[in-house]
Amino acid sequence: EDQVTQSPEALRLQEGESSSLNCSYTVSGLRGLFWYRQDPGKGPEFLFTLYSAGEEKEKERLKATLTKKESFLHITAPKPEDSATYLCAVNYGGATNKLIFGTGTLLAVQP
Amino acid sequence: GAGVSQSPSNKVTEKGKDVELRCDPISGHTALYWYRQSLGQGLEFLIYFQGNSAPDKSGLPSDRFSAERTGGSVSTLTIQRTQQEDSAVYLCASTWVAATDTQYFGPGTRLTVL
Repeated sequence: EDQVTQSPEALRLQEGESSSLNCSYTVSGLRGLFWYRQDPGKGPEFLFTLYSAGEEKEKERLKATLTKKESFLHITAPKPEDSATYLCAVNYGGATNKLIFGTGTLLAVQP
Repeated sequence: GAGVSQSPSNKVTEKGKDVELRCDPISGHTALYWYRQSLGQGLEFLIYFQGNSAPDKSGLPSDRFSAERTGGSVSTLTIQRTQQEDSAVYLCASTWVAATDTQYFGPGTRLTVL
């Protein structure tokens, strides 16, 4: 069964304390892995798309990497405004290209 | 430019009533998705529309759920005879045709069934 698992479920960091979030998947025929940020009461906001193992993308303090079985979202020197739920989703293709989502990592960055 | 919009933002209804949720996709996007986000669970795919093709309804949890898309743009998700387990945030996303394109999400409709 196609599955996406995120860890940890919750992470509390001090401002400036770097860390990584993990997304592992058991989807065959990956066509894209997506990272989204979701703030309370809002819809997911697109961050990155990764298509092949070895690919990396960066945006401000965030860097996403992809291997054949997992992706990492590295947060360097986080700030309180980085606090949010980070969602990972996989598109395994098929006719609809629907996304399979993990349950997310709730990140809290304390000043 | 304008993003995906959804209305209402919040809906409280009584068990057994019907509700309609609306989604306006990004202009020019031909693919539209509905997802459901329940407390403590990941987003769950419900239904997919692509142009004039028949929709993929494989994610709809029961026959009380239906959706339509008029004129290839606005979509309405209808839930008949609502149950308490239908309480969730309903999210709409749209994208271009290409298979690997990013899906852009609206703000969602929070549905509460009393």
